Amino acid sequence: SYVLTQPPSVSVAPGQTARITCGGNNIGSKSVHWYQQKPGQAPVLVVYDDSDRPSGIPERFSGPNSGNTATLTISRVEAGDEADYYCQVWDSSSDHPGVVFGGGTKLTVL
Amino acid sequence: QLQLQESGPGLVKPSETLSLTCTVSGGSISSSSYYWGWIRQPPGKGLEWIGSIYYSGSTYYNPSLKSRVTISVDTSKNQFSLKLSSVTAADTAVYYCARLVAAAPYYYYMDVWGKGTTVTVSS
Repeated sequence: SYVLTQPPSVSVAPGQTARITCGGNNIGSKSVHWYQQKPGQAPVLVVYDDSDRPSGIPERFSGPNSGNTATLTISRVEAGDEADYYCQVWDSSSDHPGVVFGGGTKLTVL
Repeated sequence: QLQLQESGPGLVKPSETLSLTCTVSGGSISSSSYYWGWIRQPPGKGLEWIGSIYYSGSTYYNPSLKSRVTISVDTSKNQFSLKLSSVTAADTAVYYCARLVAAAPYYYYMDVWGKGTTVTVSS
C-alpha cells in the first residue's frame, strides 16, 4: 500500500514561512490534498489538487508537488495557523484503491 | 450550505458491532461527482480512512478494515451508515463522516466534514 511520510512537528516564528513536507514514492504523479485540524475540531480542507484553495482559505496557503515530495507552504504565518496538518492522496495503483493520509504534522507558532 | 451530522451510540461493548449514521442536509446525497465517506481518529493519533460509498452503492474500503466494515446508503433518507463488527478497544476513536469530491480515477478529497462523534469501546 502507498505510504505518505510527514515530519511530526514544524516550528516557525510569526510572519515567517512554514513548509510542511509530505513524502511518497513518485508523489508528483498524484494529486495531493491538505487538511488543517485544530484541537477538538474536525479537519478543514486548505489545499486540494496540489495547489488550489477552497473558497475562504487565504492565499497564504499554497502547495507545490513534484518528484517524491509535496509541500504545504504557509506564508506570513499567524498564531491562528497553529494546528495539525495532514496530507492525503488517492491511491489508485493497488488492487485496493483508496484514501491515504500522512501521519500528520503539528505546526507550532513560536 | 451542506452539513453532515453523525449519530449513534457513544459506547459499544467489545466484540459487538459499532453502528453510526451520517445525515446529509442542505444538499442531496444522490449528487453526481461525490462520494460519501467515514474517517476515524483514535485519541492522540492521526486520521484513518475507513471507506467510502457512492449513492448507487458502489464502495471502497480500507483493506485493513475491510473484513469488518460495511458502508451503506439510504437515498430516501439522505443518509449513509457505517457498521464495524467485532470491535475492540483499538476501535475507540472520533468518527467523522465527510463528502468526497470525486474526479475518478485521479483523485478524491474531503471537502465537507461532520463535527465527529466519539465512540468508546469498553465493557
